[in-house]
Amino acid sequence: DAKTTQPNSMESNEEEPVHLPCNHSTISGTDYIHWYRQLPSQGPEYVIHGLTSNVNNRMASLAIAEDRKSSTLILHRATLRDAAVYYCILFGHAGGTSYGKLTFGQGTILTVHP
Amino acid sequence: EAGVVQSPRYKIIEKKQPVAFWCNPISGHNTLYWYLQNLGQGPELLIRYENEEAVDDSQLPKDRFSAERLKGVDSTLKIQPAELGDSAVYLCASSLGASTYQETQYFGPGTRLLVL
Repeated sequence: DAKTTQPNSMESNEEEPVHLPCNHSTISGTDYIHWYRQLPSQGPEYVIHGLTSNVNNRMASLAIAEDRKSSTLILHRATLRDAAVYYCILFGHAGGTSYGKLTFGQGTILTVHP
Repeated sequence: EAGVVQSPRYKIIEKKQPVAFWCNPISGHNTLYWYLQNLGQGPELLIRYENEEAVDDSQLPKDRFSAERLKGVDSTLKIQPAELGDSAVYLCASSLGASTYQETQYFGPGTRLLVL
C-alpha cells in the first residue's frame, strides 16, 4: 500500500489558519487523496478528498502539489472543535493496490489554543 | 439521517470469555467495514463486506475472530476467546459501495473493549 507521512503533532491558535502537510511520494496514478479526522472518543469522519486539482468544501480546502507527491489540508479559521487527529490517506480506484481500503497512519494531532 | 450505530459502547470482560459487537450501517449502504484501533494508533481494517460477501478478510485473525453480515444489513463481530491484547476500540463503518472512486466511509462511535 502507498504510504503517507505526516508530522506527529501541530499547534494552532483559535481563528487562525492551519496548514496540515502530507507527503505521499509513492502515490500511484489511480490513488485519491482523502483526509479524515477523529475527534476524541469518536470514530473518524470524512473531511475532504481530491485527485489532482485543489478542492474546497465547507470544512476545509485541499491543496495538491502538481506532481501529486504532497498535499496540504487547510483549515481557514481553526476553532476549538477542530482539535483532533487528522489522517491523510491514499484511497485506491478500482484496480489499484489500495482499492476499497482506507489505510490509516498515525496522523497529525492538532491542538488548538484559545 | 441516522448514522452508523454500534453497540455496546463499552464492554469489560475477563480473558477467555467470548464477546460480540453489533453494527447497524447507514440505510442503503452496501459496504460495511470493521476496523480495530489500538490506543494511539490509526484504525486498521479487519474485514470488508460487499452486501453479504466478505471481500477482504485478510487481516482478520480467524483463529478467534469471526464476523457475519446476514441479509446484507446488520453485522456482528465476535471474539472467542478474548485475550488481553484484544483490548481496543472496534469501529464499524459503512459506505454506499466501493465501486466508486469517491467512496466516503461513515464511521460509528466504536465499541471500547477492555479485557481483564
